[in-house]
Amino acid sequence: QSVLTQPPSVSGAPGQRVTISCSGTSTNIGTGYAVHWYQQLPGVAPKLLIFNNNIRPSGVPDRFSGSKSGASASLAITGLQAEDEADYYCQSYDNRMGGSTVFGTGTKVTVL
Amino acid sequence: EVQLVESGGASVQPGGSLRLSCAASGFTVSDSYMSWVRQAPGKGLEWVSVIYSGGLTNYADSLKGRFTISRDTSKNALFLQVNNLRVEDTAVYYCTRVRIQGDTEFFQDWGQGTLVSVSS
Repeated sequence: QSVLTQPPSVSGAPGQRVTISCSGTSTNIGTGYAVHWYQQLPGVAPKLLIFNNNIRPSGVPDRFSGSKSGASASLAITGLQAEDEADYYCQSYDNRMGGSTVFGTGTKVTVL
Repeated sequence: EVQLVESGGASVQPGGSLRLSCAASGFTVSDSYMSWVRQAPGKGLEWVSVIYSGGLTNYADSLKGRFTISRDTSKNALFLQVNNLRVEDTAVYYCTRVRIQGDTEFFQDWGQGTLVSVSS
């Protein structure tokens, strides 16, 4: 019962730019809570990719960037590479019913 | 280097119980915020529970009453007791270290996960 909506899939050719949207509501992203992004390569645990909307942890290539506007956020991958083929999840906080962490529905990125 | 190693996952029948463990190294569990996140086969991520450094705990509403998060300072470990297991609890359970920034929290470090399979 994810409250953050992402497109099920996006695809692009190597070198292209792709974006993944994360749509929230007034009880989560729209309230001002930060958005974080995770990359999950096939068969392994998720890895933190972007935190606080647009900050990359050490070691994450600058091909990955995040942004937030209103009740939505986006993850952009520029110069798409084969190793970027993975599932991507957004995450934020929702203040309904006492509040809890919420994840997006997830997006599969395919490199053509 | 931070390491999180989960164990305790197994195949159980509905109604059974399990205690999942997470051995931590490279940092002190009791000084950190720690969470469990699960992922059903072929599905997305679902936050399960958190324990704060002061000992306060919180759970996903749908799981309250059946799941209990705890930690052992002497073992530098995190635990998740799961009772009255249901088929829909089948998932890989990840142990995570949480980082707080202002009024938000995110999952900075992840273990490799442990699989819980519930079926009759």
